[in-house]
Amino acid sequence: TQLLEQSPQFLSIQEGENLTVYCNSSSVFSSLQWYRQEPGEGPVLLVTVVTGGEVKKLKRLTFQFGDARKDSSLHITAAQPGDTGLYLCAVDNYGQNFVFGPGTRLSVLP
Amino acid sequence: DAGVIQSPRHEVTEMGQEVTLRCKPISGHNSLFWYRQTMMRGLELLIYFNNNVPIDDSGMPEDRFSAKMPNASFSTLKIQPSEPRDSAVYFCASSVLAGLYEQYFGPGTRLTVT
Repeated sequence: TQLLEQSPQFLSIQEGENLTVYCNSSSVFSSLQWYRQEPGEGPVLLVTVVTGGEVKKLKRLTFQFGDARKDSSLHITAAQPGDTGLYLCAVDNYGQNFVFGPGTRLSVLP
Repeated sequence: DAGVIQSPRHEVTEMGQEVTLRCKPISGHNSLFWYRQTMMRGLELLIYFNNNVPIDDSGMPEDRFSAKMPNASFSTLKIQPSEPRDSAVYFCASSVLAGLYEQYFGPGTRLTVT
């Protein structure tokens, strides 16, 4: 059983479109991170969300942590080809281990 | 800072051979993580160290895998003997502290076992 689920698994859209990807779990977490991984590279941190209901914005990216701290969403406005990559959510399972979700593979076509 | 450094970037070896992957974390970081990434299983934590001490190795697949951190600036992940199912990209990451602090990932080592 996956601790974290991400949806959709794959997403291919045209430049300029908006999109939302999701990270879900049945467990409650103290905080959650989103990373982006480009081909041939390691993941790079985008944001950490800590408080239930918290919303953070990073340019065209909007991150939200669910009120119950079991889920999170990432919304991208006016996607660009540079947004292409694998989007991973990650949680610290109360010090037991560090878990990444399976990821959403996004392709933005020019 | 040069970031997390991993070597080699690519490794091709035959089944049964010993493989050693190397990592130099960012100076001043106290935690070091080894991950394995495959299409089927995603990014999996193998082991992590705090202040050079292994804290959680529950992700290490089996006894063929071992990891060491002899000092704050160097870690190795060894597979002996290697098997084709070990083929994956292995990442090393470091952070100031374990927990949900930012992890800085190296470029990875792509391992192919034939």
